[in-house]
Amino acid sequence: EPEVTQTPSHQVTQMGQEVILRCVPISNHLYFYWYRQILGQKVEFLVSFYNNEISEKSEIFDDQFSVERPDGSNFTLKIRSTKLEDSAMYFCASRKGDRGNQPQHFGDGTRLSIL
Amino acid sequence: AQSVTQLGSHVSVSEGALVLLRCNYSSSVPPYLFWYVQYPNQGLQLLLKYTSAATLVKGINGFEAEFKKSETSFHLTKPSAHMSDAAEYFCAVSLQGGSEKLVFGKGMKLTVNP
Repeated sequence: EPEVTQTPSHQVTQMGQEVILRCVPISNHLYFYWYRQILGQKVEFLVSFYNNEISEKSEIFDDQFSVERPDGSNFTLKIRSTKLEDSAMYFCASRKGDRGNQPQHFGDGTRLSIL
Repeated sequence: AQSVTQLGSHVSVSEGALVLLRCNYSSSVPPYLFWYVQYPNQGLQLLLKYTSAATLVKGINGFEAEFKKSETSFHLTKPSAHMSDAAEYFCAVSLQGGSEKLVFGKGMKLTVNP
């Protein structure tokens, strides 16, 4: 069964550095998402992406964050200048989206640790 | 705006006992409802989803959930717990149309005792 894949599985970065998290969604899916889960807290929506543009973003997704689908297969999340509070598990998800009520399929996540 | 409530954070059952994980939602329009499971060091795996076709939904691994509009609930059950069911379970809601982003409950960690 097709899967969403995320790399790296663990990223350690110094505060203030830029970080790029990578995701390969399922190939025939049309909607793409990023979520994050701070340790001990609930999974939170960051951003959704459809037709090569952001369709919705949360308050968390400020100017430090950006997303891109550079080559038709990868879907990336960039954090420009990382803060300690960006430490979290980041999940990518994709959804087919050709009709309603189709579930999102999640990757195994990237654990981001900011030092 | 929609929201999900999962009361408590941890449930412990004996192997073979009934599993009941509660989920209540708030939504201004008919929602889509989902249960996801997260095993240690893994991503979120879909257990089941609610469609308007049936209020009792069967999922993988013997789990099922019943949509009760009058109670705004979507509780997850399994008649007989297995050791392999130990994981964290998340209830989620999304709205029809638009991005259909998921709003998650805070999750419930299930421990199964031998």
